[in-house]
Amino acid sequence: NAGVTQTPKFQVLKTGQSMTLQCAQDMNHNSMYWYRQDPGMGLRLIYYSASEGTTDKGEVPNGYNVSRLNKREFSLRLESAAPSQTSVYFCAGGEDSLVNEQFFGPGTRLTVL
Amino acid sequence: AQSVAQPEDQVNVAEGNPLTVKCTYSVSGNPYLFWYVQYPNRGLQFLLKYITGDNLVKGSYGFEAEFNKSQTSFHLKKPSALVSDSALYFCAVWSNYQLIWGAGTKLIIKP
Repeated sequence: NAGVTQTPKFQVLKTGQSMTLQCAQDMNHNSMYWYRQDPGMGLRLIYYSASEGTTDKGEVPNGYNVSRLNKREFSLRLESAAPSQTSVYFCAGGEDSLVNEQFFGPGTRLTVL
Repeated sequence: AQSVAQPEDQVNVAEGNPLTVKCTYSVSGNPYLFWYVQYPNRGLQFLLKYITGDNLVKGSYGFEAEFNKSQTSFHLKKPSALVSDSALYFCAVWSNYQLIWGAGTKLIIKP
């Protein structure tokens, strides 16, 4: 099992460009999450999906959209990238329980010039 | 508001010595607490969690954490540090269907 996979690993964008970060999990988790990690700030939740077909905003959703394509896949889209979105992005999946451990992908390092 | 504080940006320990990485929390209701570790250029890995029961929780790689309700703390500990324990450690608390994360503590184990 691959666990949680993310593509791409690295990306450089110019301000105003758009892109989609892909995430897939083969652990049969109902819940999936997108975080961004910035130095000295820990992880901040962008969006999450408690189940297929549902998505909810997290702490920092502005400038992002998500799509839960099916149970396995949860994508994050930047419609018009800004330098403030330079960060490392992590996708995670969680067990189907109220208080769950999350399993993280390897991350995507995004730079917006 | 729910929050997690990791008061030390960095902790330096000599190999073989005991280590402690501190975490305090603020949450309404019963706290559900987690520790994760992040090795360089990797995603986070779950170490342990406290839900209820024994205040001393044992986890992966020989780590344990002690829940102290009166001090609202959940410190991570290991009796004898290894160089390979050097990494970034995150404390988190579960609140409203989400994990609230601390800023992280960089642990450096020197040979």
